[in-house]
Amino acid sequence: GAVVSQHPSWVICKSGTSVKIECRSLDFQATTMFWYRQFPKQSLMLMATSNEGSKATYEQGVEKDKFLINHASLTLSTLTVTSAHPEDSSFYICSVLAGDVEQFFGPGTRLTVL
Amino acid sequence: GQNIDQPTEMTATEGAIVQINCTYQTSGFNGLFWYQQHAGEAPTFLSYNVLDGLEEKGRFSSFLSRSKGYSYLLLKELQMKDSASYLCAVLDSNYQLIWGAGTKLIIKP
Repeated sequence: GAVVSQHPSWVICKSGTSVKIECRSLDFQATTMFWYRQFPKQSLMLMATSNEGSKATYEQGVEKDKFLINHASLTLSTLTVTSAHPEDSSFYICSVLAGDVEQFFGPGTRLTVL
Repeated sequence: GQNIDQPTEMTATEGAIVQINCTYQTSGFNGLFWYQQHAGEAPTFLSYNVLDGLEEKGRFSSFLSRSKGYSYLLLKELQMKDSASYLCAVLDSNYQLIWGAGTKLIIKP
C-alpha cells in the first residue's frame, strides 16, 4: 500500500496564529487526498477532498477560508488552519486514495491551540 | 440520512474470540471497510468487503450481508496488542467513506 507521512506530528500554538500541516505520499502519486478531523472519542470526520491541481471540495459545515487546502503536486497536500482557536484543537489526519476505493492514512497531526 | 452503528465498547479476554458488529444505512453501497486505530494514531486498514460472505485474513475475519446491512469483524486468539478502537466505514454511492464512531476493544489478561 501507499506510505503516507504527515508533518508535524504535533503542534502547539497560540490562539490567532496559523498552522500548516503537510501530508506527503512517499511512494505513490496521489491524485486524490482526503483531510479528516477527529475529536477525542469520536470517529473521523471528513473535512475536504483534495484533488491535485484543482480546488478542494469541502464538506458541509467546514469553512474553506479557515481551512486552506493546497494540493500542488501528486505527492504533497497541505492544510493550513488560519487564525486557529482552541475549538480547532483536534487530531488531523490525511489519507491518500490508492486505486478506486482504498485509502491509506498518514500518522496524524495533533493540534493544540492555547 | 446515513447511519452506521457499532457498539461503543467491548471487553474480552486474552486468547479468546470477539465479534464486533456493524450495521449500516447508507445511500448506496460500494463496499465496507474495517480499520484498527490505536490511541493517538491514524487508522490502519484491516479488511474490505464488497460481496456477501466471510473473508479470512489470519486472526481477523470480516463478514458482510448486504441484504441485512450488516457486517462483523471477528478477532481470534486475542492478544493484548489488539486493544484498540475498531472502525467500520461504508463507501456510499458517491464513493465517500461514511464512518462509524468506532468500537473500543479492551483486552484483559
